[in-house]
Amino acid sequence: AQSVTQLGSHVSVSEGALVLLRCNYSSSVPPYLFWYVQYPNQGLQLLLKYTTGATLVKGINGFEAEFKKSETSFHLTKPSAHMSDAAEYFCAVSESGGFKTIFGAGTRLFVKA
Amino acid sequence: GAGVSQSPRYKVAKRGQDVALRCDPISGHVSLFWYQQALGQGPEFLTYFQNEAQLDKSGLPSDRFFAERPEGSVSTLKIQRTQQEDSAVYLCASSYYDGLAGTDTQYFGPGTRLTVL
Repeated sequence: AQSVTQLGSHVSVSEGALVLLRCNYSSSVPPYLFWYVQYPNQGLQLLLKYTTGATLVKGINGFEAEFKKSETSFHLTKPSAHMSDAAEYFCAVSESGGFKTIFGAGTRLFVKA
Repeated sequence: GAGVSQSPRYKVAKRGQDVALRCDPISGHVSLFWYQQALGQGPEFLTYFQNEAQLDKSGLPSDRFFAERPEGSVSTLKIQRTQQEDSAVYLCASSYYDGLAGTDTQYFGPGTRLTVL
């Protein structure tokens, strides 16, 4: 069975500081991994995804994530936080070729001026 | 084109009432998903359609939950005899198969917030 663990339900950073949101997954088959962002009263928007190939994945809004199989991790980073990055972030996993997506509980990012 | 739309955006029901939640997927998207998102939690898979066929309904929490997509486009999630624990945001997503990436990319609607009193 697949599962996703997001470490830290809340993360607070200063504007301009590094953003690091942690995600660990469990999967018995090669996983597809995703990060989504959710703004208040809106649906989820895909930030980036890893399927195969290059383990460092670049997404929208300056975010990137690195798939580390040995650590079963897919942490999300951004070099410099912006106020507009404040939102809820969800890590998700699905089986390669599958359709069922399992989401983590989410991490709320706060950005301080 | 337009994204995934859901209606109503907000629904308040008295316990025991039946509700119907609508999802209009992106035109041409074959796959459609329903998720339930409880307060402070991530979305949880409910069911999946490929065209009009419901291929997986393993996430539906009880037989009070029923979903349909009769013409392979619009979908309706129906909840009978609503209970307080049904209060959540219900998200719909549609997807197309990305041949290059080898996976579907899901596009989410804004959700319907259901409150059962």
